[in-house]
Amino acid sequence: AQKVTQAQTEISVVEKEDVTLDCVYETRDTTYYLFWYKQPPSGELVFLIRRNSFDEQNEISGRYSWNFQKSTSSFNFTITASQVVDSAVYFCALSARPRGGGADGLTFGKGTHLIIQP
Amino acid sequence: EPEVTQTPSHQVTQMGQEVILRCVPISNHLYFYWYRQILGQKVEFLVSFYNNEISEKSEIFDDQFSVERPDGSNFTLKIRSTKLEDSAMYFCASSVLGTVNTGELFFGEGSRLTVL
Repeated sequence: AQKVTQAQTEISVVEKEDVTLDCVYETRDTTYYLFWYKQPPSGELVFLIRRNSFDEQNEISGRYSWNFQKSTSSFNFTITASQVVDSAVYFCALSARPRGGGADGLTFGKGTHLIIQP
Repeated sequence: EPEVTQTPSHQVTQMGQEVILRCVPISNHLYFYWYRQILGQKVEFLVSFYNNEISEKSEIFDDQFSVERPDGSNFTLKIRSTKLEDSAMYFCASSVLGTVNTGELFFGEGSRLTVL
C-alpha cells in the first residue's frame, strides 16, 4: 500500500521568511514518482514538480527547491523568501508503477495549508 | 496554452438524482483521470482511463460511478444515484502518458457537486 504523510496541517510565516513543507512517503515499489501540487484559493491544482525514485538530485526552480532523500523516504519542499502569493494548500503525492501496467492514480497527502502574512 | 476544461463548475442536485460531470482533456493526451476532494480534505484518486477502458480504479469508485469517452473529445463521470457523501469537488485530469512515464497531470479547475 502507498501512503503519503504531510504532518504539517497549517504553517503561517511572515513574508520573506523561508519555509519548508515536509512530505514522508511509504511504498513497497522500487520504482515510484513523487510530486508536489499547489492548490491556490481559486481551487485548481497546479503541478510544481515530479521526481522519480532513481533521481535523488535536489532541484531548484527560482525560489522553490526540493530535497529528496530516499534514506528517510522524504521529499521536502522549501520556499525561499516567501511571498503572499505563495499562500495556498500544497499537496505531496506519490505514484508507483501499477500491477497491470496501465495508467495509475496518484496518492495524495492531506496537504499543508501555507499562510504567508504580509 | 492548452488546458483541461470541466463543466459544470458547480452543480446542486437532490439525493438520488443522476449527475454527469463533463471534461474535455487536452487534445493530444491519452490518459484520463477523475479525482475528488471532499471539502477541506485530501485529493483522492477515483479512476484512470486509457485506450477506451478503465485502467485502474479506487475503492471509492463503486457501482454508482461510471466513466465514458463518448466521442473524441469528452470524458464524462456519471454518478447514478447521488448520496450526500458524494458532495465534493471533482477534478478531471489528463496526461500524454501515464503518470509513471511522464508524471505531469494537467488538472481541470474542478466541478463542485453539492448533494442536498
